[in-house]
Amino acid sequence: GEDVEQSLFLSVREGDSSVINCTYTDSSSTYLYWYKQEPGAGLQLLTYIFSNMDMKQDQRLTVLLNKKDKHLSLRIADTQTGDSAIYFCAETYSGFQKLVFGTGTRLLVSP
Amino acid sequence: DTGVSQDPRHKITKRGQNVTFRCDPISEHNRLYWYRQTLGQGPEFLTYFQNEAQLEKSRLLSDRFSAERPKGSFSTLEIQRTEQGDSAMYLCASSLRFLAGARGANVLTFGAGSRLTVL
Repeated sequence: GEDVEQSLFLSVREGDSSVINCTYTDSSSTYLYWYKQEPGAGLQLLTYIFSNMDMKQDQRLTVLLNKKDKHLSLRIADTQTGDSAIYFCAETYSGFQKLVFGTGTRLLVSP
Repeated sequence: DTGVSQDPRHKITKRGQNVTFRCDPISEHNRLYWYRQTLGQGPEFLTYFQNEAQLEKSRLLSDRFSAERPKGSFSTLEIQRTEQGDSAMYLCASSLRFLAGARGANVLTFGAGSRLTVL
């Protein structure tokens, strides 16, 4: 089945690292994604990872994938107030054709 | 290209009325998706098109919902006899995939959404 879970809320101080976690259930997922949603806006793709990779780094973003535990995380280094948003992880399902999203983690960055 | 456009951005209607949303995808994208997002939840898949063909519909898409993409470019999502439970943000996304069974990352580009409020 398709089920993606995330913690609801994370609060950090500016300059700290943020780690947002996600668990998924579909063992056949081959791509996992992180999207960001700011108030009143659509979802913006941040990064994605293929399931045969353990880690992917892109500037301040580091994605870690533990396929055995079906656990995905997004680390944001040197978090800024502009990073405050809702972050969604998503997995591909149904033969790569659609994305299934988690409930989202609201990140609040305080000065 | 200005990305994925959705219209209207906000629609307020009375229960029982019909509403229609329009989505203009990125011009070179052949895939178009509709998602629904309620407050505090992630987007839920409704349906998707490959060019003009509607290839999959979610169980969430009741008989009151219909989506079309007549020429493989823009799409419309119509909700008939709206109910208060239809109040949500309706998101459109597009992507480029050459084959129905194509592998590889499916990178969806989302529009800003159309917010529906049913009174």
